[in-house]
Amino acid sequence: QSVLTQPPSASGTPGQRVTISCSGSSSNIGTNTVNWYQQLPGTAPKVLIYSNNQRPSGVPDRISGSKSGTSASLAISGLQPADEADYYCAAWDDSLNELMFGGGTKVIVL
Amino acid sequence: EVQLVESGGGLVKPGGSLRLSCAASGFPFSTYDMNWVRQAPGKGLEWVSCISTNSRYIYYADSVKGRFTISRDNAENSLYLQMNSLRAEDTSVYYCVRGGNGIPIRSSWFDPWGQGTLVTVSS
Repeated sequence: QSVLTQPPSASGTPGQRVTISCSGSSSNIGTNTVNWYQQLPGTAPKVLIYSNNQRPSGVPDRISGSKSGTSASLAISGLQPADEADYYCAAWDDSLNELMFGGGTKVIVL
Repeated sequence: EVQLVESGGGLVKPGGSLRLSCAASGFPFSTYDMNWVRQAPGKGLEWVSCISTNSRYIYYADSVKGRFTISRDNAENSLYLQMNSLRAEDTSVYYCVRGGNGIPIRSSWFDPWGQGTLVTVSS
């Protein structure tokens, strides 16, 4: 069981908004920044959001991240079929001295 | 173009050893922390290890501590992972991943990722 908890799946129709939660604790999300990674089928992951809410160049502004207390969220607006992928949150844990990933959330576009 | 190319994966028997390599290009390798992240077939991502720019700071996941050793050669722009006492549960795709540049590890992110190399531990 992951230290960071994500729902196993989320779904929406094209154009809808989907939100993925990532729940942690004071030793990880509560203290350190959260990053989000997208893994398209059959490919290596890529960073989608870093430092809680920053988008790398090339990531559209319909993708956003936020953090509050010991939880973080990733929101995808204007959902597109190309958004079907696995999404992972990640944060350093000060108690374990390890980088922790959430279990991953599969986004399904209906 | 920033590139990370892993090699060295393959089939190994339980208890055996394997050494993974990662060739980096397109960026000043010596100024970035580097990481290994793995993914078991059909499973999620698991961070394995991190090494700082000058190899002074090294961290391991508890699941590999004492069995795996991360190292780097800045002159050769290369990252390594020596894996000993391999177990079936180590079967995964292993990704070489660039970390931070002058940023504490607790604040850094992974970008980019290599294409991965598959390690299969089976008799």
